[in-house]
Amino acid sequence: GQQVMQIPQYQHVQEGEDFTTYCNSSTTLSNIQWYKQRPGGHPVFLIQLVKSGEVKKQKRLTFQFGEAKKNSSLHITATQTTDVGTYFCAGYSFGNYQLIWGAGTKLIIKP
Amino acid sequence: DTGVSQNPRHKITKRGQNVTFRCDPISEHNRLYWYRQTLGQGPEFLTYFQNEAQLEKSRLLSDRFSAERPKGSFSTLEIQRTEQGDSAMYLCASSFGQGYPYEQYFGPGTRLTVT
Repeated sequence: GQQVMQIPQYQHVQEGEDFTTYCNSSTTLSNIQWYKQRPGGHPVFLIQLVKSGEVKKQKRLTFQFGEAKKNSSLHITATQTTDVGTYFCAGYSFGNYQLIWGAGTKLIIKP
Repeated sequence: DTGVSQNPRHKITKRGQNVTFRCDPISEHNRLYWYRQTLGQGPEFLTYFQNEAQLEKSRLLSDRFSAERPKGSFSTLEIQRTEQGDSAMYLCASSFGQGYPYEQYFGPGTRLTVT
């Protein structure tokens, strides 16, 4: 079945360093969504990418969708303590109602 | 708009018992999803409703799980004859849309512990 792989599982950074998480799908996606889940919380929608090669920015966050629509990335510049949490990618394949989720990348700020 | 609500927030039950969870979506949302999430994993799709119609159900879902959405409003998820492996966070999400997938809004979840 369709799978979405997300790496790394964890990333420890010093506050102010950058963070990147990558997603790869086994099949071509119609679109991909990114969510953030704070510790003890529920997933919160960040953004949706639809077009091949699309790049979107939200302040310090940059989201990319690959040309083949099979991979995506999220890059955070100059991390802050408020960025702590787990970042999930989730993709739809064509004609499918089911959102397939990656396992998430946990962003940990080193004390 | 108070967002998606779920009840109860926590449920502890003994193996073999039946449990039922409720989800109240955002009022104008026609789509409703149930997910299961275990520690360190992403949400795992269980089932999807558009209005009152259950359009998709995970093939991984055993027949002990059933969901309803009467009148296209709130939804219930029932687990019969619970097993320890059912212990997880059960998340409900809703969204609005006819064809194009929109963002999903999640409730706080119901944490199930089966002893």
